Amino acid sequence: GAVVSQHPSRVICKSGTSVKIECRSLDFQATTMFWYRQFPKQSLMLMATSNEGSKATYEQGVEKDKFLINHASLTLSTLTVTSAHPEDSSFYICSATQGSEKLFFGSGTQLSVL
Amino acid sequence: GENVEQHPSTLSVQEGDSAVIKCTYSDSASNYFPWYKQELGKGPQLIIDIRSNVGEKKDQRIAVTLNKTAKHFSLHITETQPEDSAVYFCAASEGNAGKSTFGDGTTLTVKP
Repeated sequence: GAVVSQHPSRVICKSGTSVKIECRSLDFQATTMFWYRQFPKQSLMLMATSNEGSKATYEQGVEKDKFLINHASLTLSTLTVTSAHPEDSSFYICSATQGSEKLFFGSGTQLSVL
Repeated sequence: GENVEQHPSTLSVQEGDSAVIKCTYSDSASNYFPWYKQELGKGPQLIIDIRSNVGEKKDQRIAVTLNKTAKHFSLHITETQPEDSAVYFCAASEGNAGKSTFGDGTTLTVKP
């Protein structure tokens, strides 16, 4: 149980375009979802916390206008990287919780901005 | 805020040997300590976790110990196999869907 599906797994886009990443909890209702960014050989850096039906809470230094997060339902959260630039290239990961302390992670999305 | 330190950053063992990874945390309010395994190009997967009211937990070849007084916890993998090779992350949180603070990761290599 507790499967989190993240799509796409890999995306390549041109500089200036926007990219949407989806995170779905397949067999449970996710009261809270988290979005992370991970650089090669580094740890997970929390970007924002997303609760269903409310605005996301962003970590310090994360541009909310650039990384748009929508948690429209208890099973879906999306991260949109707007006007992407090469420095936004990274591995993006979501996680979801049913309200307990256990986190279930998506498989990640490798974003490459040309 | 919480600070989690993880050691070593890399660990190489021979197949069949044991591997130990250690983490320390700073916030005494943290009460949930999971360990994740991340394979290349994939998201982290929970392999074992422990709550602050327990000192040790074991699941087959994997065990976690917690010393709440010293604020450190460790992952123990026995009879290592090549498929155990991955990056392992420890984390600490206050539970109840609170934010987790992750260690910097340990790259474990098990040589056949």
